Amino acid sequence: GAVVSQHPSWVICKSGTSVKIECRSLDFQATTMFWYRQFPKQSLMLMATSNEGSKATYEQGVEKDKFLINHASLTLSTLTVTSAHPEDSSFYICSAPRTGENNEQFFGPGTRLTVL
Amino acid sequence: SQQGEEDPQALSIQEGENATMNCSYKTSINNLQWYRQNSGRGLVHLILIRSNEREKHSGRLRVTLDTSKKSSSLLITASRAADTASYFCATIQGAQKLVFGQGTRLTINP
Repeated sequence: GAVVSQHPSWVICKSGTSVKIECRSLDFQATTMFWYRQFPKQSLMLMATSNEGSKATYEQGVEKDKFLINHASLTLSTLTVTSAHPEDSSFYICSAPRTGENNEQFFGPGTRLTVL
Repeated sequence: SQQGEEDPQALSIQEGENATMNCSYKTSINNLQWYRQNSGRGLVHLILIRSNEREKHSGRLRVTLDTSKKSSSLLITASRAADTASYFCATIQGAQKLVFGQGTRLTINP
């Protein structure tokens, strides 16, 4: 199956700092990627759709100035959590659909963010 | 917003028994997908069932879909300890946006 990687796998930062999370499709090109957030024992909540070459589309209630998304190439999308606060601590997961795969999406392994 | 609900929220069974999880959704669909998530990991696609299908098998997995009731079930037969994970159903809204159910946390006891 297709492979999607995320980096870092975990990060601990101080309140007020910014954290960048990378999502890469390793063996296919993805014009679209998705970013999800998952709190403990809860489901995945879609945050935004990352579009290569254009602005990201954010879900209702997600602050675009706080969660900056850049889809720099066909294989890389980044999510930057700006001025992180403890309530931003969560598990962030990206996914990328591969064309012709019946809409199957391939998920990264996730990034655990802890803001102190 | 979440598409629907899954039940049970948590299920604990003995190894070798069958596990059944249910999912309900709210809007019309083209297909419904099931994913597995091991603790603290990403999701793995298990199976996709199209709206014109009523049942689909893949190994020890059996998925049913009832579009009239807007519900689906996932059956895992002859469960193994390695099946311990959270299981989510998901439907697609708009262009490839996956919307997940609440999930079922399955524990297989040896």
